[in-house]
Amino acid sequence: AQKVTQAQTEISVVEKEDVTLDCVYETRDTTYYLFWYKQPPSGELVFLIRRNSFDEQNEISGRYSWNFQKSTSSFNFTITASQVVDSAVYFCALSGTIHGSSNTGKLIFGQGTTLQVKP
Amino acid sequence: NAGVTQTPKFRILKIGQSMTLQCTQDMNHNYMYWYRQDPGMGLKLIYYSVGAGITDKGEVPNGYNVSRSTTEDFPLRLELAAPSQTSVYFCASRAGQPNTGELFFGEGSRLTVL
Repeated sequence: AQKVTQAQTEISVVEKEDVTLDCVYETRDTTYYLFWYKQPPSGELVFLIRRNSFDEQNEISGRYSWNFQKSTSSFNFTITASQVVDSAVYFCALSGTIHGSSNTGKLIFGQGTTLQVKP
Repeated sequence: NAGVTQTPKFRILKIGQSMTLQCTQDMNHNYMYWYRQDPGMGLKLIYYSVGAGITDKGEVPNGYNVSRSTTEDFPLRLELAAPSQTSVYFCASRAGQPNTGELFFGEGSRLTVL
């Protein structure tokens, strides 16, 4: 079965602190894709990143960075120098190819981590 | 660019009533999905469609029905509303290869069943 676990339900930091959101996944697929989405208080879902299982290079986009480690089945998300505008719920998601999504593109979501950045 | 449009944004239903959540996308995406989001539970897949005329159940399909007569539209129907269906519903669509393309979400529809 496919599963995504975000063990941190809520995280609270003070502005300018660095924060890492954890994501652990389970899949039997050898080819799969991992995603992060942001849901600000307004409620919409904003795509942040997609990573395929063959690309383990870390990625950096401004203050955001992602650490993909197949050995530990983790795809962690770090925000450097957090800002109040980063306050949101963050979802990690998985899309498999054979055992799970079966070429349908279904995303399996984690429970989400609520990040609160205080000024 | 409208993207994925959901209506209504808010609705209150009485137990046993029926309603349809509308979803339309103007990006010519083949793949469309309905998710529900309950507090602290993430998003659960209700139904999905890989193209016009083709639909299939997701994780939590009970109490819902869908149809996909056109590429653009993917309505979700609640036949006999129950309090357990109080949730925020998201419609999404996807282009290109099914597992690589970004999922585009609508703004969500907040449904309360009393």
